[in-house]
Amino acid sequence: GENVEQHPSTLSVQEGDSAVIKCTYSDSASNYFPWYKQELGKRPQLIIDIRSNVGEKKDQRIAVTLNKTAKHFSLHITETQPEDSAVYFCAAKFSGYSTLTFGKGTMLLVSP
Amino acid sequence: DAMVIQNPRYQVTQFGKPVTLSCSQTLNHNVMYWYQQKSSQAPKLLFHYYDKDFNNEADTPDNFQSRRPNTSFCFLDIRSPGLGDAAMYLCATSRETGGTEAFFGQGTRLTVV
Repeated sequence: GENVEQHPSTLSVQEGDSAVIKCTYSDSASNYFPWYKQELGKRPQLIIDIRSNVGEKKDQRIAVTLNKTAKHFSLHITETQPEDSAVYFCAAKFSGYSTLTFGKGTMLLVSP
Repeated sequence: DAMVIQNPRYQVTQFGKPVTLSCSQTLNHNVMYWYQQKSSQAPKLLFHYYDKDFNNEADTPDNFQSRRPNTSFCFLDIRSPGLGDAAMYLCATSRETGGTEAFFGQGTRLTVV
């Protein structure tokens, strides 16, 4: 079946550094790629998403890039802050499916 | 201003004793989802409703059922909980399926004793 691979599973950075999380997907016809942030004990929340007709999208300190040829997309967080510490999930909507498939998550720890 | 509300936040049930988790939404969204999330894993979709149309994932055990009596409410019934069903259960809604933002509830953490 279709799947989404997410790496790394854990990522530790110093405050102010950049963090990059990568996901690869199997269905070349996938057209929607959201990223969700889940803080400890809280609900997942959408932080940014990108559609297949766009290569990059930016919102303040976060950005997502999409490489359709290579079938991967990445989350970039610049100038990380301790409040960025959370689990981040990528997801993809595969063609022929009406729902999202999630990656396994990346636990990001930003140390002061 | 919670938009997707799950009750209870924590639920303890006995092995084999039926349990029901509830979810309500104030967004008037068409789609409601139930996910199972185990520790350090991705949310796993169990099923979803588009309006009244029920869509079961192929690998969702028969032990899990769902009801959506109206637009606002959706229930997850676990007929005979096993120890392996202990998990966080997340309800989510979206205006449409797939390509629109999903709004999650806080989740219900189920413990089976």
